Amino acid sequence: DGGITQSPKYLFRKEGQNVTLSCEQNLNHDAMYWYRQDPGQGLRLIYYSQIVNDFQKGDIAEGYSVSREKKESFPLTVTSAQKNPTAFYLCASSQMTGEPQHFGDGTRLSIL
Amino acid sequence: AQSVSQHNHHVILSEAASLELGCNYSYGGTVNLFWYVQYPGQHLQLLLKYFSGDPLVKGIKGFEAEFIKSKFSFNLRKPSVQWSDTAEYFCAVNEYSTLTFGKGTMLLVSP
Repeated sequence: DGGITQSPKYLFRKEGQNVTLSCEQNLNHDAMYWYRQDPGQGLRLIYYSQIVNDFQKGDIAEGYSVSREKKESFPLTVTSAQKNPTAFYLCASSQMTGEPQHFGDGTRLSIL
Repeated sequence: AQSVSQHNHHVILSEAASLELGCNYSYGGTVNLFWYVQYPGQHLQLLLKYFSGDPLVKGIKGFEAEFIKSKFSFNLRKPSVQWSDTAEYFCAVNEYSTLTFGKGTMLLVSP
């Protein structure tokens, strides 16, 4: 089955550490996205990529970084500069930007 | 920047009641509109979408939505809800390359 795989499902981080969340898709989609979901806040866009080796900042990019070296992979690094990293992180992809997005199951990140 | 407003954060209904969830957006140009649903423990999935044409669009599981351009609205409706419709519902608007989501409406349907 085609889809989006996010790993791990749960992640714990000590303060001051960087951590990388994985997102892989086998849908052959060009566009990929990272969102942060907080209770009562909906989904807020962190970064997105329309094509390999290219990505743009979303609304809340500060303290995060991404790479897009392969079409199927779009890892997100939560850096120590992110002041409030505890959240549920969702990865999505679409055939191209503007098309309906397919979502992964998410990674819940917690600070120890 | 685009903003999306969902009128209710929480809605509680009994089974067989009718549902209408409000969604308004701010941008007045050409937009693509979506409703997504997140069932408990599951990933977000597309409920329905509007790109152009008939402003009344039908989605999965008996849901429909009406695009009213003059009101910048895209309200979600279902004539008779079921217990299995308990979920969080998100309205989203596409402007240029990205989606802007509303804050979501949690729907609880009691049997």
